[in-house]
Amino acid sequence: KQEVTQIPAALSVPEGENLVLNCSFTDSAIYNLQWFRQDPGKGLTSLLLIQSSQREQTSGRLNASLDKSSGRSTLYIAASQPGDSATYLCAVEYGNKLVFGAGTILRVKS
Amino acid sequence: DGGITQSPKYLFRKEGQNVTLSCEQNLNHDAMYWYRQDPGQGLRLIYYSQIVNDFQKGDIAEGYSVSREKKESFPLTVTSAQKNPTAFYLCASRTGGGETQYFGPGTRLLVL
Repeated sequence: KQEVTQIPAALSVPEGENLVLNCSFTDSAIYNLQWFRQDPGKGLTSLLLIQSSQREQTSGRLNASLDKSSGRSTLYIAASQPGDSATYLCAVEYGNKLVFGAGTILRVKS
Repeated sequence: DGGITQSPKYLFRKEGQNVTLSCEQNLNHDAMYWYRQDPGQGLRLIYYSQIVNDFQKGDIAEGYSVSREKKESFPLTVTSAQKNPTAFYLCASRTGGGETQYFGPGTRLLVL
């Protein structure tokens, strides 16, 4: 069964701290891996998409890495800000379907 | 503005009633998706459509139905057979396989 797990489930950090969110997946035959952000009661916003042949992607203060062989991805957020507070979801694409993790709820305290 | 719209924002269903959630996109995307999100859980795929007049069941299709008569529209009907419909429903679309999905703002369905 294809499963995606995210650790930790929740994280609270002071403003300015660098942080890492973790995602693991059971089936390494992935097409790509995506990180999304979700604000309370809202839809999802795509942050980064890593193709299966890539090792990492960067966008501003965000860096996502992918290690297919170990079934892991990390999302690194540099110099966190209160506006980064949200739920971060990892999703792995198999064929035409995305399999989502349960998310990490991030709170950045000012 | 290009994007995905979902309506209504909140929907209330009575016992035994069918309700329909609307999803419209003007991004000229071929593929459209419906997901269900429960508290503390990730999104689960209900149905998806890769082209007009064609759709496939996802992981939790029982108690739901869809149609794809137009490229821009992919409505979801929650039937009375769905015994636990209370959830946040999200619609998404994309150009094709391997591309990122763009999500609508969601519809929250509650049972009276």
